[in-house]
Amino acid sequence: DAKTTQPPSMDCAEGRAANLPCNHSTISGNEYVYWYRQIHSQGPQYIIHGLKNNETNEMASLIITEDRKSSTLILPHATLRDTAVYYCIVRVAYDYKLSFGAGTTVTVRA
Amino acid sequence: GAVVSQHPSWVICKSGTSVKIECRSLDFQATTMFWYRQFPKQSLMLMATSNEGSKATYEQGVEKDKFLINHASLTLSTLTVTSAHPEDSSFYICSASVGDRVGEQYFGPGTRLTVT
Repeated sequence: DAKTTQPPSMDCAEGRAANLPCNHSTISGNEYVYWYRQIHSQGPQYIIHGLKNNETNEMASLIITEDRKSSTLILPHATLRDTAVYYCIVRVAYDYKLSFGAGTTVTVRA
Repeated sequence: GAVVSQHPSWVICKSGTSVKIECRSLDFQATTMFWYRQFPKQSLMLMATSNEGSKATYEQGVEKDKFLINHASLTLSTLTVTSAHPEDSSFYICSASVGDRVGEQYFGPGTRLTVT
């Protein structure tokens, strides 16, 4: 059973913020939210993760709702190189596995 | 930092032969390494997990005698596809993690295997 739900695709304008939603309504208290992306024909790239607090790093920001049932990955200034499939993954703290779903295909347009 | 390499980046082999793919962590010691497979237009599927010096743990449905994994050191894991068949043609990707940060996996660039 899929633990996350993401839109299959979305377009973003270059230079604008890209907001990628993810629903994880059955998330448990000991499960983290991870985001990865995969540019075409490359290995995935770790972006960010969080438990319940909002997180920010040099690549993106992660906003997790208070009830933890959904989150949003924010790419502050999308560039053409951000075109990729973005995966939202819920992972139990003690489990090493990452289960990749279908993700969201994000296309950044000039 | 946290660079993972794979070799070769692509390989074409004849049906019935074996192919070895190497995965190396270049600037860190990987406690755990993972092997994934990705068919065209599909998502990544975890095949197996390996820790240095111990036997790999295979996911359900993955034949351990067909996909041999060796994790000989903290920087090297190999995947050997034995007696390859056309249905084994896929994109094979490894990843590595450090210590207890297993959720932060650093992926290699992948190896495209084509079996003719």
